[in-house]
Amino acid sequence: AQSVSQHNHHVILSEAASLELGCNYSYGGTVNLFWYVQYPGQHLQLLLKYFSGDPLVKGIKGFEAEFIKSKFSFNLRKPSVQWSDTAEYFCAVNPQNSGYSTLTFGKGTMLLVSP
Amino acid sequence: KAGVTQTPRYLIKTRGQQVTLSCSPISGHRSVSWYQQTPGQGLQFLFEYFSETQRNKGNFPGRFSGRQFSNSRSEMNVSTLELGDSALYLCASSESGANVLTFGAGSRLTVL
Repeated sequence: AQSVSQHNHHVILSEAASLELGCNYSYGGTVNLFWYVQYPGQHLQLLLKYFSGDPLVKGIKGFEAEFIKSKFSFNLRKPSVQWSDTAEYFCAVNPQNSGYSTLTFGKGTMLLVSP
Repeated sequence: KAGVTQTPRYLIKTRGQQVTLSCSPISGHRSVSWYQQTPGQGLQFLFEYFSETQRNKGNFPGRFSGRQFSNSRSEMNVSTLELGDSALYLCASSESGANVLTFGAGSRLTVL
């Protein structure tokens, strides 16, 4: 079975600081990778995804993530955070060719951006 | 296009009762999944349905069950509620053959 580990449970940054949230997964095969975001009081939304091809993927709101296969990592980055980026961020994986849409999520990272 | 709709949004039950939660997927989406979200355990997979068939199931006790109807709407049921069942229950839908889940706002269950 696959598992996902997010390195930081809580991150506090000032506006304009750069962000990198770590995500590592454990699975022997090929995976689809996702980052979801949950803004306060809102539902879980897809930030970006990686299925294949260019390992650097760009998502909404200036976020990007890089898949490093040798490190089983899919870290999320943003060059300059805004107060509105305050939210909880979840990394998730889904084995390719499993026939399921089932996602295995990390425990999440709560990001607080101070103005 | 309407999103994933979950009802009820909030509910309070007492231990021993049962609860049924409903989910209407995005029009055209035939796959529906359910997740439980708690502060301690995060997001945990409950089950996934496709064309009225359960095609994957998480590690939850038999008190948790679900079903999907011919119009792709889904329900989940929790019987003999325990305090630990208090959680946000999320439903997600996806298109056939796609692996991108779109989530609803959730049903927040409080068990007293």
